Amino acid sequence: GQNIDQPTEMTATEGAIVQINCTYQTSGFNGLFWYQQHAGEAPTFLSYNVLDGLEEKGRFSSFLSRSKGYSYLLLKELQMKDSASYLCAVRAGGAAGNKLTFGGGTRVLVKP
Amino acid sequence: DGGITQSPKYLFRKEGQNVTLSCEQNLNHDAMYWYRQDPGQGLRLIYYSQIVNDFQKGDIAEGYSVSREKKESFPLTVTSAQKNPTAFYLCASSRQGSGNTIYFGEGSWLTVV
Repeated sequence: GQNIDQPTEMTATEGAIVQINCTYQTSGFNGLFWYQQHAGEAPTFLSYNVLDGLEEKGRFSSFLSRSKGYSYLLLKELQMKDSASYLCAVRAGGAAGNKLTFGGGTRVLVKP
Repeated sequence: DGGITQSPKYLFRKEGQNVTLSCEQNLNHDAMYWYRQDPGQGLRLIYYSQIVNDFQKGDIAEGYSVSREKKESFPLTVTSAQKNPTAFYLCASSRQGSGNTIYFGEGSWLTVV
């Protein structure tokens, strides 16, 4: 089976840094994705990790440790528009194909 | 413009009715997916299709049906057997291959009245 855990909610101040953790237990592993979702809108792709280490994309970075079943998304220089839900998703691969299994999402509130 | 188009954006259903949500993509993607999202929750997979004329059940397929007669189209029918259909429905697509990103349509809101 698949189990993906992330905190429900986090609050941070504009200009600060926030780290969103994601732990997973899946029957296989073929990549981990992070998506951003504003309320009432579709998720948009942020990052993809398949090998251990850090992937950096502007203000957003994502880290993966396959041996620990752990990832985090780091948001730097927070802006008000970063207030959204952040979804961690794992691709098991193999017979499961390309489908993604999602965690419950972490709602981030950025305060002035 | 390339993308994934879902319609309608908002749909109201009476109890006991079947309704069909449309999903069309012009990205030439082989794989398509339907997810359901309840308020404040993550996404749960209903059905997915990796190739035309083939599809598989996801985690919550009961009360739903799909077809994949064309590569571009993957309609979802919410049947009267689905007891709690009020939710946000998201269609998505991707290329085949493990590293390929899944892209989402704008979503459809279904409410039972």
